[in-house]
Amino acid sequence: QVQLQESGPGLVKPSQTLSLTCTVSGGSISSGSYYWSWIRQPAGKGLEWIGRIYTSGRSYTSGSTDYTPSLKSRVTMSVDTSKNQVSLKLSSVTAADTAVYYCARDGGWGYNYWGQGTLVTVSS
Amino acid sequence: QSVLTQPPSVSGAPGQRVTISCTGSSSNIGVGYDVHWYQQLPGTAPKLLIYGNTNRPSGVPDRFSGSKSGTSASLAITGLRAEDEADYYCQSYDSTEVVFGGGTKLTVL
Repeated sequence: QVQLQESGPGLVKPSQTLSLTCTVSGGSISSGSYYWSWIRQPAGKGLEWIGRIYTSGRSYTSGSTDYTPSLKSRVTMSVDTSKNQVSLKLSSVTAADTAVYYCARDGGWGYNYWGQGTLVTVSS
Repeated sequence: QSVLTQPPSVSGAPGQRVTISCTGSSSNIGVGYDVHWYQQLPGTAPKLLIYGNTNRPSGVPDRFSGSKSGTSASLAITGLRAEDEADYYCQSYDSTEVVFGGGTKLTVL
């Protein structure tokens, strides 16, 4: 059974870079063709898609990324297949970036695997 | 403001049927992209409820059903139960973007 686990600092200072890691267990991150996304949810609000990175053991497009336009200038996603991890970096954070951050896997039929989420607070 | 529009709230009595709408546009649902639905219980991660417009993952009761027409999609829940009280989100695609609805809070009266 595939499991996703987010990890990273729970508190980040304004203007700094938020860095999170999603560790995948129960299967190789590149064993199939998947989109690994980061999705966030401010307290009491809805889901906001941040971006995704594509992995495939056979495709030349493995590692390609898509980001939501509103965050594109501040977001970087990457994959470390040796550690079975997906990473998120969000630069120049402000209080508006305070949220629960989820990683999730889309195999083409919606996000059928989610991490439990990790709360990141931006505050000095 | 979300790309996909959902009603903020719906309610129904136990045993009743409720529907939640998800309205998009010609650049997302209307162009043929699939719609997926998620259920989020308080304090938990969202759970995939309906995928590919009408399909239920294993373990999801057949009380939940999805449909899609034109630029909109709907989630129907029949035989409402107290444990269905949750937030529901639709999700689709808009070119290379993933888009979510703003979410609908279902209250079981």
